[in-house]
Amino acid sequence: GAVVSQHPSRVICKSGTSVKIECRSLDFQATTMFWYRQFPKQSLMLMATSNEGSKATYEQGVEKDKFLINHASLTLSTLTVTSAHPEDSSFYICSAQHQMEQYFGPGTRLTVT
Amino acid sequence: AQSVTQLGSHVSVSEGALVLLRCNYSSSVPPYLFWYVQYPNQGLQLLLKYTSAATLVKGINGFEAEFKKSETSFHLTKPSAHMSDAAEYFCAVSDLEDDKIIFGKGTRLHILP
Repeated sequence: GAVVSQHPSRVICKSGTSVKIECRSLDFQATTMFWYRQFPKQSLMLMATSNEGSKATYEQGVEKDKFLINHASLTLSTLTVTSAHPEDSSFYICSAQHQMEQYFGPGTRLTVT
Repeated sequence: AQSVTQLGSHVSVSEGALVLLRCNYSSSVPPYLFWYVQYPNQGLQLLLKYTSAATLVKGINGFEAEFKKSETSFHLTKPSAHMSDAAEYFCAVSDLEDDKIIFGKGTRLHILP
């Protein structure tokens, strides 16, 4: 139980376009989900906390207009990278809160060309 | 503010030898502490967590960690390394006031044949 999926697993997009990443809790409902960003060979940096039915809470230094988060249902949160640039290329990982524990998705590799 | 410090970005041990990955935490409140493992291009898998119960925590794959408040440490150990243990390991901390998990920089474990 407590499985989190992400889609897509890999995406390549052109500079200036937008890309949406989905995070789903498959067998539980999650009122809170988290989005992390991981640069190559570095740690995970928390970007934002996504709460179902309300606005996301962004960490300091994260551009909310660039990284749009929507948590429209108890099983789905989406991260949209708007007007992507090569520096947005990274590994994005989501997690979902369930019974006081976070379960992590497998990650999405975004490459902006 | 909470933080964790992982000593050694790379650790190499011979197959069959003791694995010791060091983590020190900083927290103004009793923390929750975690160890996660990440294989290349994958998400995170929880190895074990400390939540103020027993100070010696046993996790999956033969790993365990001991919470030492006097040393503010939560080092991860495994008696005998296996080739499949080669991965990136992250120590992390959280508190009871919010659900945010703060990650250390990670330690890459190399297993020598």
